[in-house]
Amino acid sequence: AQSVTQPDIHITVSEGASLELRCNYSYGATPYLFWYVQSPGQGLQLLLKYFSGDTLVQGIKGFEAEFKRSQSSFNLRKPSVHWSDAAEYFCAVGPYSSASKIIFGSGTRLSIRP
Amino acid sequence: DTGVSQDPRHKITKRGQNVTFRCDPISEHNRLYWYRQTLGQGPEFLTYFQNEAQLEKSRLLSDRFSAERPKGSFSTLEIQRTEQGDSAMYLCASSWDRENTGELFFGEGSRLTVL
Repeated sequence: AQSVTQPDIHITVSEGASLELRCNYSYGATPYLFWYVQSPGQGLQLLLKYFSGDTLVQGIKGFEAEFKRSQSSFNLRKPSVHWSDAAEYFCAVGPYSSASKIIFGSGTRLSIRP
Repeated sequence: DTGVSQDPRHKITKRGQNVTFRCDPISEHNRLYWYRQTLGQGPEFLTYFQNEAQLEKSRLLSDRFSAERPKGSFSTLEIQRTEQGDSAMYLCASSWDRENTGELFFGEGSRLTVL
């Protein structure tokens, strides 16, 4: 069965501290992997995506993610968070061969401590 | 640059009434998706279209739900005989399959409250 697990429902970090959001997936074929961000009152926005090549991918707003096939993980990282990073973050997986449905995790809410 | 637009942004209705949501995708995008999101959860896939053809439909979509994309441009999602459990944010997204990047462009959603 296809699934995405984000084990952390809510994380609070201090401004300027580093961040890692966890994501594990279960998928039968070669997947596309995504991280989306949802700020209050706004639509989901793509942060970054991976489907092949270098397993460390760079995204917008200073985020990066690392694909680890052996661990079925695609964790999101940022070396130094800003107050504006407070939002809900969703990991998602979809089929590489055709862009049919993309499955989302339940999300991790990020709060920033001043 | 016009993004995905959804209308209405918020709908309050009484149980048993019918509601319809409209989605206008990015103009050159040929794929259109509907998702539902409840509080504290990620988006759940409902259905998707390639041009005017509805190619996949989730088991979550009961017979009370119907979606159309008659000319391959805008889409409507209708919910008949609404129930309180239908209260959620209904998200529309579009994409361009020629690039096959899988990236979805989302609208801001239509929030449904069923009293």
